Amino acid sequence: AQTVTQSQPEMSVQEAETVTLSCTYDTSESDYYLFWYKQPPSRQMILVIRQEAYKQQNATENRFSVNFQKAAKSFSLKISDSQLGDAAMYFCAYRQNTGNQFYFGTGTSLTVIP
Amino acid sequence: DTEVTQTPKHLVMGMTNKKSLKCEQHMGHRAMYWYKQKAKKPPELMFVYSYEKLSINESVPSRFSPECPNSSLLNLHLHALQPEDSALYLCASSQVWTGGESPLHFGNGTRLTVT
Repeated sequence: AQTVTQSQPEMSVQEAETVTLSCTYDTSESDYYLFWYKQPPSRQMILVIRQEAYKQQNATENRFSVNFQKAAKSFSLKISDSQLGDAAMYFCAYRQNTGNQFYFGTGTSLTVIP
Repeated sequence: DTEVTQTPKHLVMGMTNKKSLKCEQHMGHRAMYWYKQKAKKPPELMFVYSYEKLSINESVPSRFSPECPNSSLLNLHLHALQPEDSALYLCASSQVWTGGESPLHFGNGTRLTVT
């Protein structure tokens, strides 16, 4: 099974500042997909951003962007201009290029300080 | 809007009860999933259905029984549960992998309490 590691159980950021959440993964595959999910206290898991391993360009979605380093097997999430609504658990996820299995990291709890 | 709908939102059941969780999606996804999630933990995979056939069972106890009646519906039948089964149960769907990206789409979950 693939492993996904999020080394920061908890993070905090001041409102309007920038924060980066880290994620590393272990795989022998060359083609795969990576995702960041947000889970606020309302509990629904919401897709934040996705990245295909073959695409060198880092994905961006409004205030959310990733730093994808394929050789280092690193997939960090940067949140710019943090807002109170960004407070949530963030999970990094990996999807292998065959089958329907997804692998999740242990999550990072993000607090946004007003 | 939630494209994956789960019912009920909350469920309290005794250890001798039989209940069912329901999940419905209309995105044309042919892979459907059940996850169990404890507080502040990642979702744990329980079952995966692909084209209405059970493709993954993560050694889940038989007191959990999944069912996929058609391509839009997924049920989880519960019987003789234990207090440690109390958790958030998440349903999700995705396209069956065909070479393109396809993320999981999650429902809002059912908060289950076993007394």
